[in-house]
Amino acid sequence: GENVEQHPSTLSVQEGDSAVIKCTYSDSASNYFPWYKQELGKRPQLIIDIRSNVGEKKDQRIAVTLNKTAKHFSLHITETQPEDSAVYFCAASMNNDMRFGAGTRLTVKP
Amino acid sequence: SAVISQKPSRDICQRGTSLTIQCQVDSQVTMMFWYRQQPGQSLTLIATANQGSEATYESGFVIDKFPISRPNLTFSTLTVSNMSPEDSSIYLCSGPGQGDIQYFGAGTRLSVL
Repeated sequence: GENVEQHPSTLSVQEGDSAVIKCTYSDSASNYFPWYKQELGKRPQLIIDIRSNVGEKKDQRIAVTLNKTAKHFSLHITETQPEDSAVYFCAASMNNDMRFGAGTRLTVKP
Repeated sequence: SAVISQKPSRDICQRGTSLTIQCQVDSQVTMMFWYRQQPGQSLTLIATANQGSEATYESGFVIDKFPISRPNLTFSTLTVSNMSPEDSSIYLCSGPGQGDIQYFGAGTRLSVL
């Protein structure tokens, strides 16, 4: 089955800096790659996603890139703000069968 | 976006008892999913609940321990049976929205004494 690896497990940045989180997946059949943000005690919230027919997608300060050949995808957050502090999960999915990475705890220091 | 309502939000249970968690979706969906999230950990898929057929369980999860019902296209329940302290966790349901997007319920925080 699908195996998703995510790095780093923790990331601390200064406010205004950029943050990058990387994931790899094992099943080349996976075709949908969402990123979720989970604040303490709350449900995971979708922040951005990308499908396998696209190499890059951007939404304001957040961007995701996908390299299908290498089977890896990354989340980029620019101009980080303290409210970006949370746990971020990547996932790989096919036919709604979604598998998650281990998560990255991002801390943005003011 | 889909709205997923889940209850209870939390419960404290005694060892050996069972708890049923309910999940309601505001639109008809073919598949619903149940996850477990242990403290500080990622989401682990327990099972996929399909309407009109038995749930499909992931490795390490069995129907006797986590029976699932899916009586219609908007509702599902997960029961955590014969609980032990190791079952203390957050349990989340999810359902698909438009396309491949998954939306999550608010979660049930379960503590077993």
